[in-house]
Amino acid sequence: DTGVSQDPRHKITKRGQNVTFRCDPISEHNRLYWYRQTLGQGPEFLTYFQNEAQLEKSRLLSDRFSAERPKGSFSTLEIQRTEQGDSAMYLCASSALRTSVSYEQYFGPGTRLTVT
Amino acid sequence: EDKVVQSPLSLVVHEGDTVTLNCSYEVTNFRSLLWYKQEKKAPTFLFMLTSSGIEKKSGRLSSILDKKELFSILNITATQTGDSAVYLCAVELQGAQKLVFGQGTRLTINP
Repeated sequence: DTGVSQDPRHKITKRGQNVTFRCDPISEHNRLYWYRQTLGQGPEFLTYFQNEAQLEKSRLLSDRFSAERPKGSFSTLEIQRTEQGDSAMYLCASSALRTSVSYEQYFGPGTRLTVT
Repeated sequence: EDKVVQSPLSLVVHEGDTVTLNCSYEVTNFRSLLWYKQEKKAPTFLFMLTSSGIEKKSGRLSSILDKKELFSILNITATQTGDSAVYLCAVELQGAQKLVFGQGTRLTINP
């Protein structure tokens, strides 16, 4: 399977614990995005990378959240001191970059986080 | 604030019916509009629209964009139970190319 992959698919954690999620994009894609989706809502943008550079962060991303893409390939999203409000589906997407052409974002299967 | 609004939020029809889903937007730097289908997991890409008035078709699905009135529609003809899903509309912004999503339309097709 050459699509976007995410790991783990499900995570249950207790409030106050730290969690880390991983995303592997489609190999030739240099843009990688993180979104969060809560029940009954569309995904909300969190942050994105172009190669290894993190170029934008949403104000939804509090200082408990950090994301990295150290070698411009896979990315990790860490949430420290989780709260119940962090319970959501965390989606990763990737796309190619062209200066004058839009390329669609392809989504991974998501990591469903439940904070108890 | 950039905003995408979909209607209706929920729609229940019988197999064989034709449905039209609506998406309106107010954004500062429009680049393109995308439709995705979401079943139980990740959104899967359907269409990307960048120009007004040009219909995109894929089988029983079609979509069109009106950049003057700031909306798009997604049509599904001869619906089947497998079309049951949440349909998401998203606007891609210039620069970051991040997507701003609507809240989705939950479509249920009854046999």
